[in-house]
Amino acid sequence: AQSVTQLGSHVSVSEGALVLLRCNYSSSVPPYLFWYVQYPNQGLQLLLKYTTGATLVKGINGFEAEFKKSETSFHLTKPSAHMSDAAEYFCAVSPIAGGTSYGKLTFGQGTILTVHP
Amino acid sequence: GAVVSQHPSRVICKSGTSVKIECRSLDFQATTMFWYRQFPKQSLMLMATSNEGSKATYEQGVEKDKFLINHASLTLSTLTVTSAHPEDSSFYICSARDRGNGRTGFRREQYFGPGTRLTVT
Repeated sequence: AQSVTQLGSHVSVSEGALVLLRCNYSSSVPPYLFWYVQYPNQGLQLLLKYTTGATLVKGINGFEAEFKKSETSFHLTKPSAHMSDAAEYFCAVSPIAGGTSYGKLTFGQGTILTVHP
Repeated sequence: GAVVSQHPSRVICKSGTSVKIECRSLDFQATTMFWYRQFPKQSLMLMATSNEGSKATYEQGVEKDKFLINHASLTLSTLTVTSAHPEDSSFYICSARDRGNGRTGFRREQYFGPGTRLTVT
């Protein structure tokens, strides 16, 4: 079974500061990894994903994440926070393609990002 | 880009009634759709996988007779909450997996709908 742990349910940063949201996963084989953002009362928007290839993945809105197999981590970063980044962020994993469970996402608990002026 | 819609966006119903939620892929075909439930201040929990033309697959602990799923076409899946109770009040989100025709940069990408807020009184 796969699981995802997001360290810190709330993260608060100042505008312009570095954003670091932590995500660790547990899986028998390296899964596909995702970061989603959710604004209040809205669905999820994909920020970025890792499937294969380069372990440093760049996404939308200046976010990036690095897959570290040895640490089973997929932390999300952004060099300079903007007020519009305030939202809830979810890390998720999915079995790799080809299996019967492909596409089923397991989400972390979510991290609420607050950005102060 | 690929868009998934849900209808209604909000619904309030009385205890004991049934509510139907629609999930549509607007500009792509989806052989598979997923239904999630999100309680306040919690993460999304997968309820079931909806496959076009076949029975849905439910996750452990989800009552199939209470949450009826129909995926009659490649662009529409419906979730019916039968005999709703206040504890069913939640945010229901669907996602649709692109069938993959080379149009998108990543075959079989998954797109999320905006969610439906269900309140049972």
